[in-house]
Amino acid sequence: DTAVSQTPKYLVTQMGNDKSIKCEQNLGHDTMYWYKQDSKKFLKIMFSYNNKELIINETVPNRFSPKSPDKAHLNLHINSLELGDSAVYFCASSQRTSAYNEQFFGPGTRLTVL
Amino acid sequence: SQQGEEDPQALSIQEGENATMNCSYKTSINNLQWYRQNSGRGLVHLILIRSNEREKHSGRLRVTLDTSKKSSSLLITASRAADTASYFCATVITGANSKLTFGKGITLSVRP
Repeated sequence: DTAVSQTPKYLVTQMGNDKSIKCEQNLGHDTMYWYKQDSKKFLKIMFSYNNKELIINETVPNRFSPKSPDKAHLNLHINSLELGDSAVYFCASSQRTSAYNEQFFGPGTRLTVL
Repeated sequence: SQQGEEDPQALSIQEGENATMNCSYKTSINNLQWYRQNSGRGLVHLILIRSNEREKHSGRLRVTLDTSKKSSSLLITASRAADTASYFCATVITGANSKLTFGKGITLSVRP
């Protein structure tokens, strides 16, 4: 059973295109996150949702728009893709929006923008 | 700006040896967490230590926290080839709710 799943695993696309990455968790968690990991493995939070409500929105270009249809899903849509968007994107979830909860990560989506 | 800085950046040891990895941070924290990332995979939570704790154990893992020095260490005893991975420390800054701020990570290679 996959706790946090993401699709697709790999995404190769041209500059200027629009693409979406989907994330689902079956852990019953209330809070979900999107992280970006660059080529140097530096991991940075982008967004966090709690029960479909946006609670963390880091300084991310507005070309990135998260959408949470329900608390088990958090999708990431990216408009007008740029070369610098190439990275691995990780979805994660935690039981509550609490400082003490561990986060469970998905396997990642490797996005390559050509 | 980046909160956690791990040290060393890369570590190579023989199976059976102990591995010690260090993490320093800049601001007051609520807790500090260590995660492992195997190549091409997502991160896996290893251990969480609260700001009022000094040491914590989990199996072969031992984590210490020194808030006066703003540093933590992760010790893996009797390492195995399967411990080969990248290790990240992540902090939750006081008042920052559930937001994790990650360091750059340490690449650990355990030679069989």
